[in-house]
Amino acid sequence: DTEVTQTPKHLVMGMTNKKSLKCEQHMGHRAMYWYKQKAKKPPELMFVYSYEKLSINESVPSRFSPECPNSSLLNLHLHALQPEDSALYLCASSQVGTHTDTQYFGPGTRLTVL
Amino acid sequence: QQQVKQSPQSLIVQKGGISIINCAYENTAFDYFPWYQQFPGKGPALLIAIRPDVSEKKEGRFTISFNKSAKQFSLHIMDSQPGDSATYFCAASKFTSGSRLTFGEGTQLTVNP
Repeated sequence: DTEVTQTPKHLVMGMTNKKSLKCEQHMGHRAMYWYKQKAKKPPELMFVYSYEKLSINESVPSRFSPECPNSSLLNLHLHALQPEDSALYLCASSQVGTHTDTQYFGPGTRLTVL
Repeated sequence: QQQVKQSPQSLIVQKGGISIINCAYENTAFDYFPWYQQFPGKGPALLIAIRPDVSEKKEGRFTISFNKSAKQFSLHIMDSQPGDSATYFCAASKFTSGSRLTFGEGTQLTVNP
């Protein structure tokens, strides 16, 4: 099973709302990632967790708060977002080994901030 | 130094034709070059990848050609099919970058029946 699942598929929120995106994998991967992807652009790395600890934060604004409760789950908590944060948010996972380990992506959550 | 330049931005090919997408990089520390395929409404999926110690890698209809001296690599899709219509991203990474992939800007491929 090489599936990464993400919920919800679509999310519409106002700028004052608090919401969370969820990601789950059961491949035994100990590295999990959040990416942001704008239309017709490549994915942009936001956060990386390795063994449930935050290892990379690509200077993401604090209105995005990641959480890795266990080795299979990854959350992204959203608060006070801006309309320009509207995008496809992708979760990915991989083995923790070398930089050549394949990253498996989920289908993404399409986020619209009004 | 971290950029990967990809061309063309869009490509239209007839069924049965050859699709060619090119990428160029500057940072000679890059040593792993994957290609990702993304269908609408889906996340990217690894298609094929190459290390610079080989000049070509083939998997089915998909071939990566790698020119280390020119710092260029390309994806060739032989016998292109309508089902190959997707966005293709080249990427590069290096040992010291850990999990970071540097992506190209993407190529939207349309294969007409």
